[in-house]
Amino acid sequence: TQLLEQSPQFLSIQEGENLTVYCNSSSVFSSLQWYRQEPGEGPVLLVTVVTGGEVKKLKRLTFQFGDARKDSSLHITAAQPGDTGLYLCAGARGGGSNYKLTFGKGTLLTVNP
Amino acid sequence: DSGVTQTPKHLITATGQRVTLRCSPRSGDLSVYWYQQSLDQGLQFLIQYYNGEERAKGNILERFSAQQFPDLHSELNLSSLELGDSALYFCASSAQYGYTFGSGTRLTVV
Repeated sequence: TQLLEQSPQFLSIQEGENLTVYCNSSSVFSSLQWYRQEPGEGPVLLVTVVTGGEVKKLKRLTFQFGDARKDSSLHITAAQPGDTGLYLCAGARGGGSNYKLTFGKGTLLTVNP
Repeated sequence: DSGVTQTPKHLITATGQRVTLRCSPRSGDLSVYWYQQSLDQGLQFLIQYYNGEERAKGNILERFSAQQFPDLHSELNLSSLELGDSALYFCASSAQYGYTFGSGTRLTVV
């Protein structure tokens, strides 16, 4: 059973377009994290959202945590080729620095010049 | 450099063999998590150690085992390898608001 469903699975767009990817679950998480992974490398943390309804902005990336803390979205404005990669969401249970993350399967984004 | 070090980066071995993957967490981090990443299953949690003790187990096969040593580095041992064990293996250490991953070990079983 996949606890976190990400959609779409694949996305190919042109430079300058906007996009949104989604991360949905039937479970409540204490926090939700987004990572980006490039080929041959480990995932790199982009953002952590903790409070239901929270919105965080990181330059052209906007992250939102659902009110019920079960889902999240990532919106990219004016995508650039450097945004290409696998975007993973991960739900955390537990707190402090000792917790377990459950990952979705990811959205593979390709931004064409 | 993320601060989490994994060796080796690549490993090719035959079915039935045993391999050991090594991970050093970021300085000061007590937790080490092991994940397996394959194309069809995504990132799957295997096991967590915290300050030398096993804290949580995920989808780890009985043929796999791990330990964390007093200097906090960790080893993942994979034995009786099968073709289906071919995957990327990542370790990560955690801070309060996120994991830091190593660059992984790509295991190919032939």
